[in-house]
Amino acid sequence: EAQVTQNPRYLITVTGKKLTVTCSQNMNHEYMSWYRQDPGLGLRQIYYSMNVEVTDKGDVPEGYKVSRKEKRNFPLILESPSPNQTSLYFCASSTRDTPGEQYFGPGTRLTVT
Amino acid sequence: KQEVTQIPAALSVPEGENLVLNCSFTDSAIYNLQWFRQDPGKGLTSLLLIQSSQREQTSGRLNASLDKSSGRSTLYIAASQPGDSATYLCAVTSGGSYIPTFGRGTSLIVHP
Repeated sequence: EAQVTQNPRYLITVTGKKLTVTCSQNMNHEYMSWYRQDPGLGLRQIYYSMNVEVTDKGDVPEGYKVSRKEKRNFPLILESPSPNQTSLYFCASSTRDTPGEQYFGPGTRLTVT
Repeated sequence: KQEVTQIPAALSVPEGENLVLNCSFTDSAIYNLQWFRQDPGKGLTSLLLIQSSQREQTSGRLNASLDKSSGRSTLYIAASQPGDSATYLCAVTSGGSYIPTFGRGTSLIVHP
């Protein structure tokens, strides 16, 4: 089954404790993105990747890191999480042929205390 | 920079009504436009994708139209049902960027 998976789905952590949210897609998509969703602010892009080893900042990259060492994986790293990073996070992927047709993961709800 | 606006922000209708959700965008040089549905706390489910060369797409009770010249798209839902209650998001991919810009969504409640 074609899908985008994220882990963990739920995470509660404390300020400053490094964490990684994994994202994997099995559709051989070139493009992958991370978004955060907050009430009243909608979906905002954090980082995106056009292909392996190619990443770029989105609208709200501060406090986040990403890497794209393999085509299928695009982990999101929070080196020192803060409470303002409490949010619902989504990973998405799409092909180079139809870049706007995005497939979304199920989301990761992160709470930083 | 592309900006996407969705009106209304919230909508409550009785079951059976036909309704229209609106999405407007500032840069008409788009690659495509996609409508999504999102249930509370859940992921996004793609409903319809309209390429820039198309005027509309249909799926069941849903019909999406695109007017690039006026920077507008509408999502028409026929004979609404309580199960249609969700937030509907519009995403516009601009030519050259290939990364979608999302509207803030329309929260729809269909009451029995």
